Amino acid sequence: EIVLTQSPATLSLSPGERATLSCRTSQGIGSYLAWYQQKPGQAPRLLIDEASNRATGIPARFSGSGSGTDFTLTISSLEPEDFAVYYCQQRSNWPLTFGQGTRLEIK
Amino acid sequence: EVQLVESGGNLVQPGGSLRLSCEASGFTFSNYVMNWVRQAPGKGLEWVSTISAGGGSTYYTDSVKGRFAISRDDSKNMLYLQMSSLRAEDMAVYYCVRRFLPWGAFDIWGQGTFVTVSS
Repeated sequence: EIVLTQSPATLSLSPGERATLSCRTSQGIGSYLAWYQQKPGQAPRLLIDEASNRATGIPARFSGSGSGTDFTLTISSLEPEDFAVYYCQQRSNWPLTFGQGTRLEIK
Repeated sequence: EVQLVESGGNLVQPGGSLRLSCEASGFTFSNYVMNWVRQAPGKGLEWVSTISAGGGSTYYTDSVKGRFAISRDDSKNMLYLQMSSLRAEDMAVYYCVRRFLPWGAFDIWGQGTFVTVSS
């Protein structure tokens, strides 16, 4: 099983600041990584697929990068609605696995 | 509008059974790989099961193999998860999820249905 480790567990920032979230995989997965955003009481929402492709309707302030074992989600300038939990997920190997999440909170 | 609506979540005793359903609308259901993903209270996301377009292939996380069965009825645009021998650790919100064509990320999620396992 491929283990995904997200860091930091919690990130405290202010609106307008830049957020950098990390996801490291226990073995190489090429670019088969996705990022999701989840707000309280809601289902997750796909942000990024194949490490760097924004999903339909996702604002340009969200960007993804990386390949192999190290991946990054960057939010260039935080909006109030961006404070949520973010998960990475690999689809390279079965079982499909998620990271434990990074909570992005308002400072 | 593309939509997935789950139903069937309920309180069940340990060892009991339950069937979850998911009704799809707004897209050609038969073309898509479908999935169940769960989230225990206060915890992260866990992939549970996948069924291929056409239903010929199924996949399960180890902890549910032999206890859960995923199926689909393309004539009704329905996805199912038959759960048996339920355990306390199966208690979670269960999401019905579509994978982006052909085997992409989880692009459409239902609102979830909650399964409580307790005596």
